[in-house]
Amino acid sequence: KQEVTQIPAALSVPEGENLVLNCSFTDSAIYNLQWFRQDPGKGLTSLLLIQSSQREQTSGRLNASLDKSSGRSTLYIAASQPGDSATYLCKAGTALIFGKGTTLSVSS
Amino acid sequence: DAGVIQSPRHEVTEMGQEVTLRCKPISGHDYLFWYRQTMMRGLELLIYFNNNVPIDDSGMPEDRFSAKMPNASFSTLKIQPSEPRDSAVYFCASSSSPGQDSNQPQHFGDGTRLSIL
Repeated sequence: KQEVTQIPAALSVPEGENLVLNCSFTDSAIYNLQWFRQDPGKGLTSLLLIQSSQREQTSGRLNASLDKSSGRSTLYIAASQPGDSATYLCKAGTALIFGKGTTLSVSS
Repeated sequence: DAGVIQSPRHEVTEMGQEVTLRCKPISGHDYLFWYRQTMMRGLELLIYFNNNVPIDDSGMPEDRFSAKMPNASFSTLKIQPSEPRDSAVYFCASSSSPGQDSNQPQHFGDGTRLSIL
């Protein structure tokens, strides 16, 4: 059964810092991996989706990479801002299983 | 365009009562998902539908839980009888693909925060 793990569970950084969030999965037979953002009291907003044939996707200050062979994905956030504070979740596409998320706090 | 709409946003009820959660997916999306989110277990898939037909309900925890999709624009998740351990945030999501082999993302509603006393 697919298991998705996100480390760290929580992260606090000062504004302007570059940071990396990690997602690991046990079953490498995935079609895609998706990163979401969740604000308190809200649903999930899709940030980036990487197909299994791709290595990375970029959107603005966000860059997500995928290494299927090692069962890892990373979400890189450049020049973090207080507005980036939220919980970030990854989803391994095959079994629609989510990690528990990394809660990010960016202080000004 | 309207997103996924869930109602109610909050529900507080006593154990033993019947609870019905509602979801309106994005028009044109033929996949609908129900999830439950708790601090302990994170986000769990309960069931998903394709063209109003349940495809995978292996995540439904017990027979007390049931879900229906009578038409393309409406789905319900029902708990009867409810128990305190059912307290969680329940999310509905829709997609034009199952999210397994496509580049179409899921779109989530804002959830229903359920508290069973």
